[in-house]
Amino acid sequence: SQKIEQNSEALNIQEGKTATLTCNYTNYSPAYLQWYRQDPGRGPVFLLLIRENEKEKRKERLKVTFDTTLKQSLFHITASQPADSATYLCALDDQAGTALIFGKGTTLSVSS
Amino acid sequence: KAGVTQTPRYLIKTRGQQVTLSCSPISGHRSVSWYQQTPGQGLQFLFEYFSETQRNKGNFPGRFSGRQFSNSRSEMNVSTLELGDSALYLCASREIPGTGRENTQYFGPGTRLTVL
Repeated sequence: SQKIEQNSEALNIQEGKTATLTCNYTNYSPAYLQWYRQDPGRGPVFLLLIRENEKEKRKERLKVTFDTTLKQSLFHITASQPADSATYLCALDDQAGTALIFGKGTTLSVSS
Repeated sequence: KAGVTQTPRYLIKTRGQQVTLSCSPISGHRSVSWYQQTPGQGLQFLFEYFSETQRNKGNFPGRFSGRQFSNSRSEMNVSTLELGDSALYLCASREIPGTGRENTQYFGPGTRLTVL
């Protein structure tokens, strides 16, 4: 079955720095991968989707890369701000295409 | 458009009881999925409904069940509650029914269930 791992449970960085989060997956070749943000007590919020034929995707200060050879996605937040502090989840679709399999998330803390 | 709504937001039950959670998807969304989130296991898929039919089910015991109504609203039920069922239960909806590979989910705020 598919497995998805986010290497770090927690990441602490200073305001203005770039945060880089890692997501690795095995036993699957997904057509796309997604990143979500979750704040305490709230449901996840969709951020970005990257397809297998896309190497990189950007949205404002966010950048996602997708390396299907390494089976890895990197999620970058540039010029990080304390408001970026949250848990970030990566997710890929199951083979039926009707469910998402989530990593356990990386909790990012940005200090001023 | 209004987002996904879930009721109730908080619930306290005792072992052995049963519980029903409700979810209203975004208007126009016909697919509803349910997830369980715990600190140890993270977000885990429970089941997905489309047009009142369950299309996919995660690896959960039969005590967990659900249904979808003709207006796309969905309910999930957990019978004979166990302590380990304490979790945040999240409902998510999406418009594309899965015939493509797009699967962006729009989540509700969740129902926090505590089993004593």
